[in-house]
Amino acid sequence: GAGVSQSPSNKVTEKGKDVELRCDPISGHTALYWYRQSLGQGLEFLIYFQGNSAPDKSGLPSDRFSAERTGGSVSTLTIQRTQQEDSAVYLCASSLGGQGGEQFFGPGTRLTVL
Amino acid sequence: GENVEQHPSTLSVQEGDSAVIKCTYSDSASNYFPWYKQELGKGPQLIIDIRSNVGEKKDQRIAVTLNKTAKHFSLHITETQPEDSAVYFCAASPGRRALTFGSGTRLQVQP
Repeated sequence: GAGVSQSPSNKVTEKGKDVELRCDPISGHTALYWYRQSLGQGLEFLIYFQGNSAPDKSGLPSDRFSAERTGGSVSTLTIQRTQQEDSAVYLCASSLGGQGGEQFFGPGTRLTVL
Repeated sequence: GENVEQHPSTLSVQEGDSAVIKCTYSDSASNYFPWYKQELGKGPQLIIDIRSNVGEKKDQRIAVTLNKTAKHFSLHITETQPEDSAVYFCAASPGRRALTFGSGTRLQVQP
C-alpha cells in the first residue's frame, strides 16, 4: 500500500542496549513526525521534520533519543542505552506539510525494554 | 506550549444512542483541531477535523463543534454502532507544528 510503514513492528531489547526504529513516510510528504504512546495513554510528541528545515526536537525526553531523516524521506529514531521507562509504542506520521494538514500514521513499533 | 484536556476517559453507550466527547485547549494560537480514532493494534486514523474559521462541521454521523472563545471543541457521534467502539483522541495545533493530543476516550458501544 501507499501508507506510512514502520519497522520493526515489535522490538524486545535489554536495558542498556541501543535500538533503531524506522519510518517510511508516504511518498511526497514533506513533514514527518515521531510520537510515543505509553500503555493506555495519549500520544506524546517527540520530534518533527519539515522539508529541509532544522527539526523541532523540543519533545525528545532526553539526550538518549535522536532522530534523522535522510534525503527528505526515510527517518530513523535511535534510542541509546534503553531504560525500562522507554517501553512504549513509537508512532510515525507524515503529512503534506503546510498549515495543519492531515497527519497519516503508521502502525507503530512496540518497544519492550526488559 | 499547548495543553489539551479530554473528557470523559471512558464512555459506554447503547447502540443507536449518541456519544459526545469534549476537549479543551490552552493555546489561543491553535487553529487546527483533528479527531482521531484508534483501533487496537493500529495507528490513529483521522475521522474529522475543523479549523478555527469554522464553528461546526458534519460528516454523516460525525460532527465536531468549536468554540474559540471558550477554547473548547467537541465530537458528536450519532446513531452509534458497535464498529464505532475504539479509542478517540482530540488534538490541537497552531499549524506547521506537531499535534498536541488529549489523553483519549475509550468508547464502548453495547449492541
